[in-house]
Amino acid sequence: GQNIDQPTEMTATEGAIVQINCTYQTSGFNGLFWYQQHAGEAPTFLSYNVLDGLEEKGRFSSFLSRSKGYSYLLLKELQMKDSASYLCAVRDSNYQLIWGAGTKLIIKP
Amino acid sequence: DADVTQTPRNRITKTGKRIMLECSQTKGHDRMYWYRQDPGLGLRLIYYSFDVKDINKGEISDGYSVSRQAQAKFSLSLESAIPNQTALYFCATSDPGTSGDVDTQYFGPGTRLTVL
Repeated sequence: GQNIDQPTEMTATEGAIVQINCTYQTSGFNGLFWYQQHAGEAPTFLSYNVLDGLEEKGRFSSFLSRSKGYSYLLLKELQMKDSASYLCAVRDSNYQLIWGAGTKLIIKP
Repeated sequence: DADVTQTPRNRITKTGKRIMLECSQTKGHDRMYWYRQDPGLGLRLIYYSFDVKDINKGEISDGYSVSRQAQAKFSLSLESAIPNQTALYFCATSDPGTSGDVDTQYFGPGTRLTVL
C-alpha cells in the first residue's frame, strides 16, 4: 500500500526554527509537495521537490532524499501566523497525489 | 475575486437526499479535481477530469458522481447521502501548461457537508 507519515502535532516558539518531517512509501515517485492549511481553509501551495536537495523560499525551505523516502519542511523565524497544518503529498507513478494526514503546528509566544 | 469558488460553503442534509456541490474556476485550467478531507486522514481523491470530455474515478468514488459541464465547471453529486459522507469537500484545479512538471493544484475554499 501507499503511505505518507507525518507527526500529528508539533509545538514551537515564535521566532524559533521548526522542522516537519515526512516519510513516504509510494508506488513510484514524481515529485513531493508541501501545502499549508489554516483551520477551516483551503490548502495553499508552499513548495515542490523532485530532485534530491534543498529548495529555499524565503523563510521556508524543503528538503528531499528520494533514496530514503524522506522530506522535511523547515520554517525559520516563526511567526504566529505560521500556526497551521502542513500537508505533505507525493505524486505517484499514476500521477495522482497521495496525501499525508498533515502536521498541526502550534506557535507559542 | 477568488479563482476557484465552491457552492454551497456549508450544507446540512438528511440521509437519502441527493446533493450537488458545485465548483467554478476562472483560472482557465483544464484539470479539475474533487477531494474529501476527514479529521486525522489525508485528502482523498474522489474524481478528476483532465478536460471536458475526460472523467476519471479516484480512490473513493463509490457513492459519488460528477459532471464536467464546461472547462470552468465541475460538479460533484451524492446520489443518496449517508452519514459517513459527512466531511469537508474541496475542489482543485491545475494546468501543467502553465506550471510545467509541477502541475500545482489550487484549491477552492471548501464545502462543509453534514449528513444527518
